[in-house]
Amino acid sequence: NAGVMQNPRHLVRRRGQEARLRCSPMKGHSHVYWYRQLPEEGLKFMVYLQKENIIDESGMPKERFSAEFPKEGPSILRIQQVVRGDSAAYFCASSPPSRGETQYFGPGTRLLVL
Amino acid sequence: QKEVEQNSGPLSVPEGAIASLNCTYSDRGSQSFFWYRQYSGKSPELIMFIYSNGDKEDGRFTAQLNKASQYVSLLIRDSQPSDSATYLCAVNLLGNSGGSNYKLTFGKGTLLTVNP
Repeated sequence: NAGVMQNPRHLVRRRGQEARLRCSPMKGHSHVYWYRQLPEEGLKFMVYLQKENIIDESGMPKERFSAEFPKEGPSILRIQQVVRGDSAAYFCASSPPSRGETQYFGPGTRLLVL
Repeated sequence: QKEVEQNSGPLSVPEGAIASLNCTYSDRGSQSFFWYRQYSGKSPELIMFIYSNGDKEDGRFTAQLNKASQYVSLLIRDSQPSDSATYLCAVNLLGNSGGSNYKLTFGKGTLLTVNP
């Protein structure tokens, strides 16, 4: 049973470019969460999605960041016009519908903004 | 106000000893508590979860929860060098805004070093 998959594992962007991060949840999991880990900081919640619905985006920055989880395909976290402060590890987690808070993490995408 | 607090460490123990990791949380209504292990440069790995007061054992790991004191701990028996990692405490805090109670709030983690 494959775990949570994320790609790319590493992403380099120049300031002003767009970053697209993808996440495929574990089989049978219908809840997807995105977290960000800045250097020397803890994991911070960004957004919680179910298929075609954003359930909680209280941790998302107000501008430039968006997320979706379409009916078909992976969840996407999109960062427009990236800035150096966006450099971080972005982790996706998924959970089964019966225990939404029991979350399993993917390998993460390390974003570096030059 | 910090919602989940951990001692950042580093906590250093000799091989074979018991490592004790502690975590406190602010929301008295919290229901679910998790311990993740994170090796340097890797993603968090779920190792224990606990919902009820008391102890929960799984192999060399024991999670302890005291809701009255708002305290959760992780004990690692017979510590091995391979246990050297950062241990993250995570809590499903009730009362968060946003209409969902599934998001986790993490402490900053405790770095554990097990010396051979």
